[in-house]
Amino acid sequence: EAQVTQNPRYLITVTGKKLTVTCSQNMNHEYMSWYRQDPGLGLRQIYYSMNVEVTDKGDVPEGYKVSRKEKRNFPLILESPSPNQTSLYFCASSPDRGNTIYFGEGSWLTVV
Amino acid sequence: QKEVEQNSGPLSVPEGAIASLNCTYSDRGSQSFFWYRQYSGKSPELIMFIYSNGDKEDGRFTAQLNKASQYVSLLIRDSQPSDSATYLCAVISPRTGRRALTFGSGTRLQVQP
Repeated sequence: EAQVTQNPRYLITVTGKKLTVTCSQNMNHEYMSWYRQDPGLGLRQIYYSMNVEVTDKGDVPEGYKVSRKEKRNFPLILESPSPNQTSLYFCASSPDRGNTIYFGEGSWLTVV
Repeated sequence: QKEVEQNSGPLSVPEGAIASLNCTYSDRGSQSFFWYRQYSGKSPELIMFIYSNGDKEDGRFTAQLNKASQYVSLLIRDSQPSDSATYLCAVISPRTGRRALTFGSGTRLQVQP
């Protein structure tokens, strides 16, 4: 089954404690990205990756890092989380020239 | 000005009616347009995409694109309570210099039984 898998799905953490949200896709897609979704602001892109070792900033990259060492994985790293990073996060992937973007199930992150 | 604008709603329609959801975009060079449906707490799922001016139909859904007016809409015929969700309009805009979707903030649709 084609899917994008994110973990953890739910997390409550404290300010400043580094965390990583993993993302894995089994469709051999080249393009992967991370979005955050906040009420009234919609989905905003954080980072994206066109292929292995190729990453770039989206619209709201501050406070986040990513890496793309393997095609299937695209983890999102919060080095020092702050309460304003409390949000619903989605990982997504798509074929390089495709138009259908597949979303993961989302990760609810709360920073206290 | 937001790149993609949608009325947040809620848009309330009776069961069996036609629901009309609208979206405007600011970048005249935008080429690809998408409608996603998102149930509360779930991930967005693609309903339709459209590239060319005019209408595109898929079952009960019709997407309409008017590039001159920078306007894209989604019509849902014979609305069902199960259609109650937030509908996200998304655009691929060359302005960003990258192939990424820019989303509107969504319109919440409520279909009353």
